[in-house]
Amino acid sequence: EAGVAQSPRYKIIEKRQSVAFWCNPISGHATLYWYQQILGQGPKLLIQFQNNGVVDDSQLPKDRFSAERLKGVDSTLKIQPAKLEDSAVYLCASRKIQDAGHEQYFGPGTRLTVT
Amino acid sequence: TQLLEQSPQFLSIQEGENLTVYCNSSSVFSSLQWYRQEPGEGPVLLVTVVTGGEVKKLKRLTFQFGDARKDSSLHITAAQPGDTGLYLCAGGGSARQLTFGSGTQLTVLP
Repeated sequence: EAGVAQSPRYKIIEKRQSVAFWCNPISGHATLYWYQQILGQGPKLLIQFQNNGVVDDSQLPKDRFSAERLKGVDSTLKIQPAKLEDSAVYLCASRKIQDAGHEQYFGPGTRLTVT
Repeated sequence: TQLLEQSPQFLSIQEGENLTVYCNSSSVFSSLQWYRQEPGEGPVLLVTVVTGGEVKKLKRLTFQFGDARKDSSLHITAAQPGDTGLYLCAGGGSARQLTFGSGTQLTVLP
């Protein structure tokens, strides 16, 4: 079974530019999460989707961040305009609705550097 | 807001030594998970504990969930260089969300 795929793996941009990240979850996983992980910290949830609907986006800085999952499979996370403090690893994770527990499967992440 | 504090933040030990990492909270969690993350990769699940007082063993790793389901510990016996990585605890909450601790960066020197 293929894991969670993310691209690009690395991105360097200047502040005030825009950037987009892509995630393809494990096949059949209806729930998808985007996390931000700043160096030396644990992942922080940005947004949670179930199929193509948003479950929770309370920690998403909506003035500059947006995310969508139009067909309930792939998802994109966009930052516009980027700030220096957005430098972090952006992780995508997915899980099956049917799973009784909380286990999530993570992709390798996209490391963003804003200069 | 549920918070998880991990200690120590950094740990550097020699191969063969034992170590314990702690994960504490003032909140009760329905489950507690431990992940390990290596550079350039996403976190990988090691174990899930769901019952207060539960102990699980995974080879040289022993995980314990506190009786009140607010804290957990990870003990590694005879650490090896391959155990090097960032260890993250995560508490399970509503809407199948996870709250992550800040992590413990473990380095095992040969």
